[in-house]
Amino acid sequence: AQRVTQPEKLLSVFKGAPVELKCNYSYSGSPELFWYVQYSRQRLQLLLRHISRESIKGFTADLNKGETSFHLKKPFAQEEDSAMYYCALRGGYNKLIFGAGTRLAVHP
Amino acid sequence: KAGVTQTPRYLIKTRGQQVTLSCSPISGHRSVSWYQQTPGQGLQFLFEYFSETQRNKGNFPGRFSGRQFSNSRSEMNVSTLELGDSALYLCASSPGQGGDYGYTFGSGTRLTVV
Repeated sequence: AQRVTQPEKLLSVFKGAPVELKCNYSYSGSPELFWYVQYSRQRLQLLLRHISRESIKGFTADLNKGETSFHLKKPFAQEEDSAMYYCALRGGYNKLIFGAGTRLAVHP
Repeated sequence: KAGVTQTPRYLIKTRGQQVTLSCSPISGHRSVSWYQQTPGQGLQFLFEYFSETQRNKGNFPGRFSGRQFSNSRSEMNVSTLELGDSALYLCASSPGQGGDYGYTFGSGTRLTVV
């Protein structure tokens, strides 16, 4: 079965603390994984895709096929990082399978 | 470059009615996919169109249908509306092979069924 699991509904941290948003997937084959972010009252935006191995806004994510994980990390959280984060798996053609999402709250 | 445009932004319909939502992709993008977002079920894939052909379909009843025009604009239709169809409907466009480029989402149409 194709599935994406984000175990935390809410992650609450203080400004300057490290952040790790967890994502595990189930997929038979070579996965294509993404992180999307939705800031308050804004549209869903692509944050990262594992193919490009970019670092966007200080966030990175590494695909670990052995642990079937694609966790999102940032060494020092900022208040403007507060948003809803979705991990997604491309499950054939242009079908994205989303996790339930994790709300990141960064407190001053 | 204009983004993905969805119209209308808000809709209120009565049970049993039908509704048509529209999505204009980014210029040059040939793939349009649709998603339903609800608090209970999260983001769920409805279907995807590429060059006027449906290539992929999610697990939704036949009341949900869509189409794509030659200019890549897409519409989705929901017939015989039920209360549970109340949701934010999002469309996303990509050049074609979305894995290489990611997907750009519109702001969505919020449908309320009363």
